[in-house]
Amino acid sequence: QVQLQESGPGLVKPSQTLSLTCAVSGGSITNGSYYWSWIRQPAGKGLEWIGRIYASGSTNYNPSLKSRVAMSVDTSKNQFSLKLTSVTAADTAVYYCARAKSGTRDLTLWGRGTLVTVSS
Amino acid sequence: DIVMTQTPLSLSVTPGQPASISCKSSQSLLNSDGKTYFYWYLQKPGQSPQLLIYEVSRRLSGVPDRFSGSGSGTDFALKISRVEAEDVGVYYCMQGINFPFTFGQGTKLEIK
Repeated sequence: QVQLQESGPGLVKPSQTLSLTCAVSGGSITNGSYYWSWIRQPAGKGLEWIGRIYASGSTNYNPSLKSRVAMSVDTSKNQFSLKLTSVTAADTAVYYCARAKSGTRDLTLWGRGTLVTVSS
Repeated sequence: DIVMTQTPLSLSVTPGQPASISCKSSQSLLNSDGKTYFYWYLQKPGQSPQLLIYEVSRRLSGVPDRFSGSGSGTDFALKISRVEAEDVGVYYCMQGINFPFTFGQGTKLEIK
């Protein structure tokens, strides 16, 4: 079965760039039947959708983050990535990657999440 | 952005009793394709969110039939006919009609 696993630094300094990857196992990221998303959750708070990317590279981002966000797909490694620039303490959160079927908004498969803390 | 407002924000339910959560969106979630892009997720303690209900009332495979979703336009509800201990967690509604997809604040369900 397909699984998602987030990875990346758990601590990022303010003003630096947060970089995370989501490894897809048990299936191909190039399967055009799906698209890939990032969602985050500050401690004790709700969920915020960051954006999504298709294997083709087509993206949609949350306008509130759009100037700082970039997503990409690495088909050779079967993974997709999130970069968030100029981070502040407000970007401290658990970051989840997730998968949805193309043409739907059903986020049916989620990774376990990875905590990123922004602190000097 | 579409604002999703859930009520109540918390509820405590005796096992075997029903529970209901409401979610209102700031604009209609009915799309021109005839679908209503409204979802319910459950985040159990220490876990990632999991999809329960999609497009208002469709249960994901494996979701117990004690969970049911209803509503239309801007008003939606999740009902649990008989709460079980495994239902504890935070329930989130989500809209997917417009970018950015947005979630409600969450409703924490506890067992009495």
